Amino acid sequence: AQSVTQPDIHITVSEGASLELRCNYSYGATPYLFWYVQSPGQGLQLLLKYFSGDTLVQGIKGFEAEFKRSQSSFNLRKPSVHWSDAAEYFCAVAGQAGTALIFGKGTTLSVSS
Amino acid sequence: DAGVTQSPTHLIKTRGQQVTLRCSPISGHKSVSWYQQVLGQGPQFIFQYYEKEERGRGNFPDRFSARQFPNYSSELNVNALLLGDSALYLCASSLVGTRMEPQHFGDGTRLSIL
Repeated sequence: AQSVTQPDIHITVSEGASLELRCNYSYGATPYLFWYVQSPGQGLQLLLKYFSGDTLVQGIKGFEAEFKRSQSSFNLRKPSVHWSDAAEYFCAVAGQAGTALIFGKGTTLSVSS
Repeated sequence: DAGVTQSPTHLIKTRGQQVTLRCSPISGHKSVSWYQQVLGQGPQFIFQYYEKEERGRGNFPDRFSARQFPNYSSELNVNALLLGDSALYLCASSLVGTRMEPQHFGDGTRLSIL
């Protein structure tokens, strides 16, 4: 069955420090992978996507993610976190049923000063 | 350009009532999907429509229904509301609804059931 696991429920990072959010997926064929961010009371904003090709993809707001097929992972990274990055982050894989996205449970990022 | 718009923003209903949520996709987008996001969880897929036809359906009871109009806007209907239907309902649109397309989300409708 297709699924996405985000092992970390909550992460706190100091402002200016680096960030890595983990995502593991289960999907039989070539996965189409996405990272979204959700600020309180708002919808989801696309940060980046992976379809094929280069395993390191760049996104908006200085985020990047690395696809590792051997580890079934698609971890999100940022070299230097800003206070405005505090939000909920969701990893998703495009499922087989239509265009349904299968989401992980999310990781809440808190940024300390 | 306007993004995906949803109405109403907030809604309070009581158990057993019926509710209709509305969504207008980004101009030019012909595919609309609906998701339910319960507090503390990731969004769960409910329906996907393309050119007024249902293309996909998630694991939700028949109390949930939807439709898409000729202008590509969409409505989600939920009958016989239960306490467990309290959630943020998100609408997303994409050009033609393929797996490769990123979905663009609205800010959602917060539904509270008393």
